[in-house]
Amino acid sequence: DAKTTQPNSMESNEEEPVHLPCNHSTISGTDYIHWYRQLPSQGPEYVIHGLTSNVNNRMASLAIAEDRKSSTLILHRATLRDAAVYYCILKGVSNSGYALNFGKGTSLLVTP
Amino acid sequence: EAGVTQFPSHSVIEKGQTVTLRCDPISGHDNLYWYRRVMGKEIKFLLHFVKESKQDESGMPNNRFLAERTGGTYSTLKVQPAELEDSGVYFCASSLAEGGYEKLFFGSGTQLSVL
Repeated sequence: DAKTTQPNSMESNEEEPVHLPCNHSTISGTDYIHWYRQLPSQGPEYVIHGLTSNVNNRMASLAIAEDRKSSTLILHRATLRDAAVYYCILKGVSNSGYALNFGKGTSLLVTP
Repeated sequence: EAGVTQFPSHSVIEKGQTVTLRCDPISGHDNLYWYRRVMGKEIKFLLHFVKESKQDESGMPNNRFLAERTGGTYSTLKVQPAELEDSGVYFCASSLAEGGYEKLFFGSGTQLSVL
């Protein structure tokens, strides 16, 4: 399965933008790039996904490199409620179907 | 619209006992998944149902775990007999279809403690 690499942790000030990087140099042409986050004591929550083009939704933006070997999740104005573990996941057909491989993720700390 | 619901939210049992976890997916979602996080480890896939059929159970750790999805609606995950290493958080998720583009909706999980 194609793997992703993320920093273990990042810190941001409240109301500032946050750029969470993800490297996925072995991505295949059919892999979608998904981001999920897990808030404390909750289940994972879908954030955004994309294939080749940049994507925006009400939660975040996803910037995908032209060669698709890296991507960046952008939170435009971090709030205290955005403190969570963020997972960058490649979702495509593998020998495990479309199972999500969560990895370790990036723990985001947001300070007032 | 109700999300994915899991019951119970917490379960404390003794080693050797049996525990059954339940998951109610979002109505109309044919795809149902079980994941778990054991202490200090990453969230790992257990299995995937499409309606009532097991599509992929490659992540099930051993034959002490039995998952069912009667009538393609709710699902149960039974652990019998439970061992200490089964302690962790068990998450259920559902999706409308299967594909790289599909997003999963997760429940809040069941915290299982085996003493």
